Amino acid sequence: DAGVTQSPTHLIKTRGQQVTLRCSPKSGHDTVSWYQQALGQGPQFIFQYYEEEERQRGNFPDRFSGHQFPNYSSELNVNALLLGDSALYLCASSRTAGNTIYFGEGSWLTVV
Amino acid sequence: AQTVTQSQPEMSVQEAETVTLSCTYDTSESDYYLFWYKQPPSRQMILVIRQEAYKQQNATENRFSVNFQKAAKSFSLKISDSQLGDAAMYFCAYTKYGGSQGNLIFGKGTKLSVKP
Repeated sequence: DAGVTQSPTHLIKTRGQQVTLRCSPKSGHDTVSWYQQALGQGPQFIFQYYEEEERQRGNFPDRFSGHQFPNYSSELNVNALLLGDSALYLCASSRTAGNTIYFGEGSWLTVV
Repeated sequence: AQTVTQSQPEMSVQEAETVTLSCTYDTSESDYYLFWYKQPPSRQMILVIRQEAYKQQNATENRFSVNFQKAAKSFSLKISDSQLGDAAMYFCAYTKYGGSQGNLIFGKGTKLSVKP
């Protein structure tokens, strides 16, 4: 049973560019959440997708957008990258009726 | 707004000894979940233990146990018989009960070192 998988694992982008990160949830999970973890900090909630719609959103600007596909996989898009967007981006999946949240290994984004 | 506070940025324990990591939280909800996650250098968040707020009994998972004090809004993690592999960042997290699960609020973490 594959857990939560994320791609790419590492990437470097230039300020002003756009990036897309991908996540496949754990089998049987229908809800995907995205988090940003800056160095030395705890993860911060970006948004959550369920039934292909954004259900909740944290305190992040509109440059951060997402999508969920019919197979429950998800993408995180960040436009107009800033140096401050450099962080580990974590994807987490869960079942709507469940109470256990599993994380992927994250995507390291460096903006130069 | 809900908040999670971990007041110990760093802790150290001798191998085979016991260590307790502290966590306090603030919420006006009556039903919620609390978690401890471990993040080793690989950076993947690994669930250590989970506590449902409606359960009075403290959760236990092998060498890991919690002391959940709902009235005091305290949720500490005790690691018994510490092992070298326990060295990691530990995060306390909260989510309210219901459809918004997955919206975890994390503390800033405690870095645990284990000395041989």
